[in-house]
Amino acid sequence: DQQVKQNSPSLSVQEGRISILNCDYTNSMFDYFLWYKKYPAEGPTFLISISSIKDKNEDGRFTVFLNKSAKHLSLHIVPSQPGDSAVYFCAASFFSSGSARQLTFGSGTQLTVLP
Amino acid sequence: DADVTQTPRNRITKTGKRIMLECSQTKGHDRMYWYRQDPGLGLRLIYYSFDVKDINKGEISDGYSVSRQAQAKFSLSLESAIPNQTALYFCATSSKRLWGIEQFFGPGTRLTVL
Repeated sequence: DQQVKQNSPSLSVQEGRISILNCDYTNSMFDYFLWYKKYPAEGPTFLISISSIKDKNEDGRFTVFLNKSAKHLSLHIVPSQPGDSAVYFCAASFFSSGSARQLTFGSGTQLTVLP
Repeated sequence: DADVTQTPRNRITKTGKRIMLECSQTKGHDRMYWYRQDPGLGLRLIYYSFDVKDINKGEISDGYSVSRQAQAKFSLSLESAIPNQTALYFCATSSKRLWGIEQFFGPGTRLTVL
């Protein structure tokens, strides 16, 4: 049973437009959420995160929104650039006694930004 | 530059062979992880280690073993490889000082079991 779901395997947008990537989760214990970006032949790299005490976090062109009641988060990229073309993974974390934190990943969304 | 490295980057092996994947880091992080990535399934945790003497099973540890030889080295072994272990394997690190939340990944090892 996947606790973190990314229901869109792929997304294409025009350069300069907004990209919106979505993620849903089922475990109410998750209290920290992260987005990772992955280029081919490279490992995932951290992009942006948000704590459950916030509903928005912004870093340059990237903004993550968290809706706790809906158990939903989204990543907005504005404006989208061809270099943003990559696989984006949503990940969630909670602190479990004795084992500290682990990350649970979604299946990823391939974003293609068309020039 | 501080980094997470994995060797080999690519490996083709046959069913039943023993294989070891190695991970080294120069970040000075205390925590290390092994994940596998399969199409449509994202990254799944195999094993993790919070220090040299602490090894823990992850979501999918069956068929795998690990060794934390030093704080900077964490290796993953497949004692008898089978075709459904064909996947992309990632090592990652994190720091207790960062509450272990953000993880830093190596470039991955593509393993094919024939």
